[in-house]
Amino acid sequence: QMQLQESGPGLVKPSETLSLTCTVSGDSFNSRSSYWGWIRQSPGKGLEWIGTIYYSGNTYYNPSLKSRVSISMDRSKNKFSLNLNSVTAADTAMYHCARHTVNTGMVFDFWGQGTLVTVSS
Amino acid sequence: AIQLTQSPSSLSASVGDRVTIACRASRAIRSDLAWYQQSPGKAPKLLIYAASTLQAGVPSRFSGSGSGTDFTLTISSLQPEDFATYYCLQVFNSWTFGQGTKVEVK
Repeated sequence: QMQLQESGPGLVKPSETLSLTCTVSGDSFNSRSSYWGWIRQSPGKGLEWIGTIYYSGNTYYNPSLKSRVSISMDRSKNKFSLNLNSVTAADTAMYHCARHTVNTGMVFDFWGQGTLVTVSS
Repeated sequence: AIQLTQSPSSLSASVGDRVTIACRASRAIRSDLAWYQQSPGKAPKLLIYAASTLQAGVPSRFSGSGSGTDFTLTISSLQPEDFATYYCLQVFNSWTFGQGTKVEVK
C-alpha cells in the first residue's frame, strides 16, 4: 500500500522560506504514470493546489504561487520537496503531498496526512 | 481559472437519508471531476473520479453523475461514518477544488 509522509518545520518566520519534504513508500518514482504534487489547506482559502513534479523532473505550478514556488525530487531516496519563499501569514496552512496518476484521470488518489505550517515571528 | 461552486455549504441529515451535493463549474470541464471525503484530522479520501467512476474500495452507496458544468455526488443511504466534509476537484485545466460541503448530524 502506498504511503506518503510529509516532514519539515512547523514554524516559519515571515519573509523566510518554507521547506517541506515528502517521502514516498510503496510506489516507484520512476513510474511514468505517476505525478507528485503539493496541496495546502487553510480555513480561509480551502484546498489549493500548489504544484506538481513528474518523474522526468518537469514541474507545473499554480500561477498564483509560481513566482515563489519550487519543487524538486530525489529519485534515489523516493522523496520530493517543496520550497515556498517570502512567506507571509497567508501561507499558514496544512500542507499535504499527494500522488496523481493518469490511471485515475490525474486526480490525487493517495495523500499524506499533512503537516501544519505556521508563519509567525 | 476554472472555479467550482458547491451547494449547499452545509446540510443536516440522519442515518439512512439520501444525500445529494452539487458542484458547478464556471465553464465546461467534460467529465474531468472528482469527489473527496474528508473527516476531521484526516487527509481527503478519493471517492469518485471521471465524474462517475467509483474508486476501488469505496462503498457503492456513493455515486457521481454529470458532465460539462453540473455535477452531483449522491449518498444513497447515509451511514454514521459518512458525516464529513465533501469536496469536488476539477482536473480539466490545472487543478482547483470546490469550497466544500459539510454533512452534519440532524
